[in-house]
Amino acid sequence: EIVLTQSPGTLSLSPGERATLSCRASQSVRSTYLAWYQQKPGQAPRLLIYGASSRATGIPDRFSGSGSGTDFTLTISRLEPEDFAVYFCQQYANSPATFGQGTKVEIK
Amino acid sequence: EVQLVQSGAEVKKPGESLKIACKASAYNNFNNHWIGWVRQMPGKGLEWIGIIYPGDSDTRYSPSFQGQVTISADKSIRTVYLQWSSLKASDTAIYYCARHGWLAALDNYFDTWGQGTRVTVSS
Repeated sequence: EIVLTQSPGTLSLSPGERATLSCRASQSVRSTYLAWYQQKPGQAPRLLIYGASSRATGIPDRFSGSGSGTDFTLTISRLEPEDFAVYFCQQYANSPATFGQGTKVEIK
Repeated sequence: EVQLVQSGAEVKKPGESLKIACKASAYNNFNNHWIGWVRQMPGKGLEWIGIIYPGDSDTRYSPSFQGQVTISADKSIRTVYLQWSSLKASDTAIYYCARHGWLAALDNYFDTWGQGTRVTVSS
């Protein structure tokens, strides 16, 4: 099973700032089968990025994903008030699919 | 709009059985999209339980959940289920169903999520 480790656990930033979230895999994730989800309190997760760098339908272009192999990054170029939430990465290359433990982006 | 609508919150006692549902609407090819279940324990992260292919009920489980739950589907009513035969307090969580984004793709991300079903197991 591939273990995903996200860092930092919490990111304290102000609106307008840039957020950089990391997701590191315990082994290489083939074909960049890596997704990112956003979850707000009391809501279901929402798909942001799939294939490491493809934005899902309706996702603003301030969200971008990059990386390959074992190191992946989600970048939010300029934080909007609605972006403060928890973010999870998921690998779906190996069964079982696994999630990282999450990074909380909070208002500083 | 593609939708997955889940059954309502449940409060059960340890040892009881339970079956929760996830009904799909507004997309063709229900039979050909894998649908999975994800657990979120209170204040915790996401855990992949397993997935089912409604067309032939091919089912895959995480080793962590194999034997603990059963996933099934009724394609005539476009509904997928997650069930327990004997609940434990540690099953207390929110359970989400979610659909794979690509048609027939076994290894895939979840592009659409249900609203979640809260399950509380307490004596």
